[in-house]
Amino acid sequence: GAVVSQHPSWVICKSGTSVKIECRSLDFQATTMFWYRQFPKQSLMLMATSNEGSKATYEQGVEKDKFLINHASLTLSTLTVTSAHPEDSSFYICSAPPVGTNEKLFFGSGTQLSVL
Amino acid sequence: KQEVTQIPAALSVPEGENLVLNCSFTDSAIYNLQWFRQDPGKGLTSLLLIQSSQREQTSGRLNASLDKSSGRSTLYIAASQPGDSATYLCALRGAGTALIFGKGTTLSVSS
Repeated sequence: GAVVSQHPSWVICKSGTSVKIECRSLDFQATTMFWYRQFPKQSLMLMATSNEGSKATYEQGVEKDKFLINHASLTLSTLTVTSAHPEDSSFYICSAPPVGTNEKLFFGSGTQLSVL
Repeated sequence: KQEVTQIPAALSVPEGENLVLNCSFTDSAIYNLQWFRQDPGKGLTSLLLIQSSQREQTSGRLNASLDKSSGRSTLYIAASQPGDSATYLCALRGAGTALIFGKGTTLSVSS
């Protein structure tokens, strides 16, 4: 079945640094990728939708200059957290839309970001 | 705006018990509803998907029901096992393809 590979699984960084998270669709082409964020004991919240070859669409309240999304190919979408701060510490997870007649979305394994 | 609520937030049961997790939503115009399992610090495992035209889906010891008119879904777990301990998320797909999630129910099954 379709697989979305996400890495790194976890990252610890110093405040002010930038962190890049990658999501690859391994055996299918993903023209769209959804990026979610989950704070402790909260629900997953959609941050943005990346589209191959065009600008990402950000949800209200998400800073597009802070969370840079690139979807340069049909198999790779990246999320870069720029100038990370402790309040950006969260679980980030990507998801690709259904393929063919399969209604299920495909999720990456997630990235736990801790900013010191 | 669609809102998804899951009750209870946490649940502890002894092994072998049957249990029900609840999910309610405010907008009945949904495309489908999914139940996921999330283990600590890990991604999501899709358990069951119910289309808007369906009433329930079953997989092994799991049974999920959907009542669109009342805005409710339940996940029934039969004969719970310690390995079932995880957070269970309810998520809806509306007009778009992105999902709207509830906060989840954290289940602990003791042996």
